[in-house]
Amino acid sequence: GAVVSQHPSRVICKSGTSVKIECRSLDFQATTMFWYRQFPKKSLMLMATSNEGSKATYEQGVEKDKFLINHASLTLSTLTVTSAHPEDSSFYICSARDRGGGASTDTQYFGPGTRLTVL
Amino acid sequence: AQSVTQLDSQVPVFEEAPVELRCNYSSSVSVYLFWYVQYPNQGLQLLLKYLSGSTLVKGINGFEAEFNKSQTSFHLRKPSVHISDTAEYFCAVSEVTSGSRLTFGEGTQLTVNP
Repeated sequence: GAVVSQHPSRVICKSGTSVKIECRSLDFQATTMFWYRQFPKKSLMLMATSNEGSKATYEQGVEKDKFLINHASLTLSTLTVTSAHPEDSSFYICSARDRGGGASTDTQYFGPGTRLTVL
Repeated sequence: AQSVTQLDSQVPVFEEAPVELRCNYSSSVSVYLFWYVQYPNQGLQLLLKYLSGSTLVKGINGFEAEFNKSQTSFHLRKPSVHISDTAEYFCAVSEVTSGSRLTFGEGTQLTVNP
């Protein structure tokens, strides 16, 4: 089946530093990847849609200058949290849409998530 | 815009009992429907999906769900649960024309007790 990986799985950083999270589709090509944020015991909140070779589309209320997204290839998207603050601490999850034809393209496969803690 | 309501935030059941997790959605256009499971500190795993065709969808781990268009529901069922089914379950919907943009419900915590 389709596998999506994220790296790192956990990261602890100091306030004011930047952190990069990678999302990779391992066995399929993904023209579209999504970044979500999940608060404890809450649902997933879509932050942005990342399209290969173009600028990301951010959801309302998400600061694009703070959460930089780069989708440089069909298998890799990165999320950089710039000038991190304690309130950015959260569980960040990416997903990738299978590029293959047919109805299966409307399925997102999720990565295992990255736990970010900002001290 | 679409929305998803999971009617129960927590569902406790005993092992080997049947379970139903309820999900209702709202949308003005055709939708695709999904159920995902999340184990602690992990990402989401796709259980099953409805894209078209038969309204009864069978997924992994013995789960199934039925799409009811008139009631705008997509309830998840399993005839006999195991301890290992304890997890958070999310119902999600995407509009057919939205390019896979998913809207999630708030989640249902299923706890299977011995």
